[in-house]
Amino acid sequence: DTAVSQTPKYLVTQMGNDKSIKCEQNLGHDTMYWYKQDSKKFLKIMFSYNNKELIINETVPNRFSPKSPDKAHLNLHINSLELGDSAVYFCASSLSASGGTGELFFGEGSRLTVL
Amino acid sequence: GENVEQHPSTLSVQEGDSAVIKCTYSDSASNYFPWYKQELGKRPQLIMDIRSNVGEKKDQRIAVTLNKTAKHFSLHITETQPEDSAVYFCAASIRGSARQLTFGSGTQLTVLP
Repeated sequence: DTAVSQTPKYLVTQMGNDKSIKCEQNLGHDTMYWYKQDSKKFLKIMFSYNNKELIINETVPNRFSPKSPDKAHLNLHINSLELGDSAVYFCASSLSASGGTGELFFGEGSRLTVL
Repeated sequence: GENVEQHPSTLSVQEGDSAVIKCTYSDSASNYFPWYKQELGKRPQLIMDIRSNVGEKKDQRIAVTLNKTAKHFSLHITETQPEDSAVYFCAASIRGSARQLTFGSGTQLTVLP
């Protein structure tokens, strides 16, 4: 059973298109995240949701819109894709409530290529 | 906000030698310092973490050290093996949790057979 799963794993699309990446975790965690990893491998947090509420929203273009229908799911929608959006997007989750270890559990990543 | 600097960006060692990766942080309120390993094409995974009330933690070939006064922490891998080849990320958090982790820029470790 995959703990944090995200789909699709690969996404190739044209500039200007709109695309979505879905993420689900079955760990019972209360916090979910989206990270962007660029070609230089730098991991940068984009958004964080705790129990479906947005708690971290870094400086990200408003073309990126996260949505958390419940605390086990966090989806990422991107409008009007640009070349610079090409990257690997990682979903992650953690347990922030009492008893949580602080560990981040990452999904396998979704490689987005914008042509 | 927190700023984490990581060095070196690339590191090549011969199999069996030791590897050391160093990180510094800026916010003295940071109290949680995890290390993540990312193999090629895979997800980052936690390999060890240390909290501010501990100076050193060790598990088999891996050890992490923390110097709160100097605001730096390090990852030490002894007797390196080819499977240690990966990108290693340090991180720091002021809340003692994953919620406000700031990652370093990563170190590509290559273990040469």
